[in-house]
Formats: sequence, C-alpha cells, structure tokens
Amino acid sequence: EAQLVESGGGLVQPGGSLRLSCADSGFTFSSNWMSWVRQAPGKGLEWVANIKGDGSEKDYAGFVMGRFIISRDNAKSLLYLQMNSLRVEDTAVYYCATESGSYYHSWGQGTLVTVSS
Amino acid sequence: EIVLTQSPGTLSLSPGERATLSCRASQSVSSNFLTWYQQKRGQAPRVLIYDAYKRATGIPDRFSGSGSGTDFTLTISRLEPEDFAVYYCQLYPRWVFGQGTKVEIK
Repeated sequence: EAQLVESGGGLVQPGGSLRLSCADSGFTFSSNWMSWVRQAPGKGLEWVANIKGDGSEKDYAGFVMGRFIISRDNAKSLLYLQMNSLRVEDTAVYYCATESGSYYHSWGQGTLVTVSS
Repeated sequence: EIVLTQSPGTLSLSPGERATLSCRASQSVSSNFLTWYQQKRGQAPRVLIYDAYKRATGIPDRFSGSGSGTDFTLTISRLEPEDFAVYYCQLYPRWVFGQGTKVEIK
C-alpha cells in the first residue's frame, strides 16, 4: 500500500511562510485527487485544500482566503502546500491524504506547524 | 454549508459493551457519502466505514454504519480494548467533518 510522508513543518512567526511537502511512494499518485487536512492541538479535523490528479482543478477552504497554494509534481510524486501570511490559528498538524471517491483511504503521519512569536 | 454534529461528545463504556455514535447533518444528504474514521492518540485517522454503511478493507465486522438523510450512526457491537479512540464522521463532497466523539474506558 502506498505510503504518504509529510515534511516541512516547524516553528514560524506570525506573518511568515512555510512550504509543506508530501511524498507518495505508491504507483498511482498522478491519478489521485489529494487533500491537505489539518488538526489543531486537541481539536478535530479540518479540510484545507485539494487538487486533482493532473493539477487542473484546485479547491480551498474558506479560511485559506488566498494565503495557501496547493500544487503537485507528478514526476516526483510530491504534493505541496505553500502557506503564506501564517496566523497563530494556523497552528496544527497538517496531514496529506489520498481521496478515494468520497473518502480518504490513505493518510500521512502529519507534520506539525507552529505559528508563534 | 452543511454542518455535521456528532453526539455524544464522550462515551464512557466498558470493553464488551455496545457503542452507538451519532452524526447528524444540518441538511439532508441525498448521496449518503458519509464516512466514519477512527483516530487514536498520536496517529492519523483511518477509515472504518464509507458510503454510510460499507466497511473499509480490513475493518472488523463489529463496526457497522447505518443511516440516511440527516441521521447517521456508527455502531461498535462489542468494544475491544483497541477500539477506545476518537471517531469522526465526514461528508463528501465538501469534505466536512464532525467534531468527533471520544470513546473512553469507563
């Protein structure tokens, strides 16, 4: 089964930027819609953004408000989330997940983003 | 925008007991694309039930899902020690999640 591995998390000041990556070891990466889902400490799950297999369609949660950009490199089986103008409330574990129709069938282990001064 | 409300917030039960978790949508869901996930502390979620009642690969048959319209239920027929976790429902296509139900050992 394909494995997803996120990286790029860390501590950043409010207003700063961070780029998250998600590496997919499977063989069908370019065929799959992919999502970023986040979870604030002690809180529930929250969808952030998703992108079609060929990158031609993208969608974002309302709270993103033009601050985040989702992208992918199918040649390298990599998914990205460029996060700009970060806020304290963006502090969360960010998961990448593979969509299988109406649900997520694979998840990475998550990468922690902490926004703090 | 559809909101999913899970109840109860916490369920305190003993191993061997039956667990019944509820997920209610603020609007009727015609497609029944309702998924249940289990999340253990420090781990990513894993899918249990999709399309309201279909068990995902490798999920024991003590987990079952039911419901339609606005009301959906996850039932764990007999709790095993490894079932104590947080459970989330999720709706497609807007990828909305409920706030979660924690099943804890009584």
